[in-house]
Amino acid sequence: GAVVSQHPSRVICKSGTSVKIECRSLDFQATTMFWYRQFPKQSLMLMATSNEGSKATYEQGVEKDKFLINHASLTLSTLTVTSAHPEDSSFYICSANAGAEPGETQYFGPGTRLLVL
Amino acid sequence: GNSVTQMEGPVTLSEEAFLTINCTYTATGYPSLFWYVQYPGEGLQLLLKATKADDKGSNKGFEATYRKETTSFHLEKGSVQVSDSAVYFCALSDLGYSGAGSYQLTFGKGTKLSVIP
Repeated sequence: GAVVSQHPSRVICKSGTSVKIECRSLDFQATTMFWYRQFPKQSLMLMATSNEGSKATYEQGVEKDKFLINHASLTLSTLTVTSAHPEDSSFYICSANAGAEPGETQYFGPGTRLLVL
Repeated sequence: GNSVTQMEGPVTLSEEAFLTINCTYTATGYPSLFWYVQYPGEGLQLLLKATKADDKGSNKGFEATYRKETTSFHLEKGSVQVSDSAVYFCALSDLGYSGAGSYQLTFGKGTKLSVIP
């Protein structure tokens, strides 16, 4: 089956630093990748949608200058949390799909837990 | 906008009990419907899906039927096992409204299932 990896799985950083999270589709080319944020005991909140070679589309309320997304290739997207603060601590999850058809399955990475001190 | 409502948990069942997790949705178009499962410490995995009305998705003994008349996609399993303990997310896929031009998932809040021996 399709596999999506994320790195790192867990990161602890000091307030004010930037953190980069990688999302890779290992055995398929992802036309679209998605970044989600999941708060404890809550659902996944879509942050942005990125297509290879173009700028990401951010959901309302998500700061594009805060959460930089780069979709450099069909197998790699990165999310950089710039000048992280404690309120950015969360579980970040990426997903990818191979096509753009109705009912296309999204394949999820295992998530990255970010803790900002 | 689109939304998904699923029954709140946690749900605790004894092994071999019957499981139902209710899910209803609101969508302006004709969405595809999904159940994803998140096992402890792992990422989300697709459990089953249905792309049009009256379709039944099934996998690993779980099944759900796309009911357009009641806008529902309830998850059922006749006999649960301890290994089914996880968080279950109902989701719908529809064209995003943020201009991304891609099919985006909208998730319910998740239902935690614990199965005891």
